[in-house]
Amino acid sequence: DVKVTQSSRYLVKRTGEKVFLECVQDMDHENMFWYRQDPGLGLRLIYFSYDVKMKEKGDIPEGYSVSREKKERFSLILESASTNQTSMYLCASKRVIRAYNEQFFGPGTRLTVL
Amino acid sequence: AQTVTQSQPEMSVQEAETVTLSCTYDTSESDYYLFWYKQPPSRQMILVIRQEAYKQQNATENRFSVNFQKAAKSFSLKISDSQLGDAAMYFCAYRSARFGRVGQGGSEKLVFGKGTKLTVNP
Repeated sequence: DVKVTQSSRYLVKRTGEKVFLECVQDMDHENMFWYRQDPGLGLRLIYFSYDVKMKEKGDIPEGYSVSREKKERFSLILESASTNQTSMYLCASKRVIRAYNEQFFGPGTRLTVL
Repeated sequence: AQTVTQSQPEMSVQEAETVTLSCTYDTSESDYYLFWYKQPPSRQMILVIRQEAYKQQNATENRFSVNFQKAAKSFSLKISDSQLGDAAMYFCAYRSARFGRVGQGGSEKLVFGKGTKLTVNP
């Protein structure tokens, strides 16, 4: 089974802190994704990576950056956390071979910024 | 840009009954894929069922089936013999079949609806 893990289930940070959210997948998937999930808004794509050191902005990249130094690991970085970044963050990975292959999701990190 | 609409924020069903969750989408493309994902409380999101637009036959996975109406751009999920474990948020999602990355609106981008919270009553 594909396994996507995220470094923390719950995280509490203060405004202005630099925050790292880590995601690791164990199935050698090429593509990795970071989403933000808010009630009533569904999932919105923050960033996408299709290879090591390669990335694309999603729909809401403002205030976020990403890093992918190794194929299995994709990090989301909040350079200076703000209260409006309090949310659930989901990581996903997918093999690139076929378009209808599913994305596999991690358990999510619920981030609270005080 | 493609959009996905789930018009039912919440639904409830009695155990063992059948429930249908609605999803409509807007696209100018003819080739695409549609998905239903399930997110149980405090658990990981998992794929329930998927449908390729070029296939006329509705997809079925055990108690889960879809009613895909391409002309109407409708993709509803039917859950038969509902079980307590079916209680979850359900998300409908669209993916283009056009090769390309997310910035190009291509096939690596999933567009999600806002979700429907399903409650199963014992």
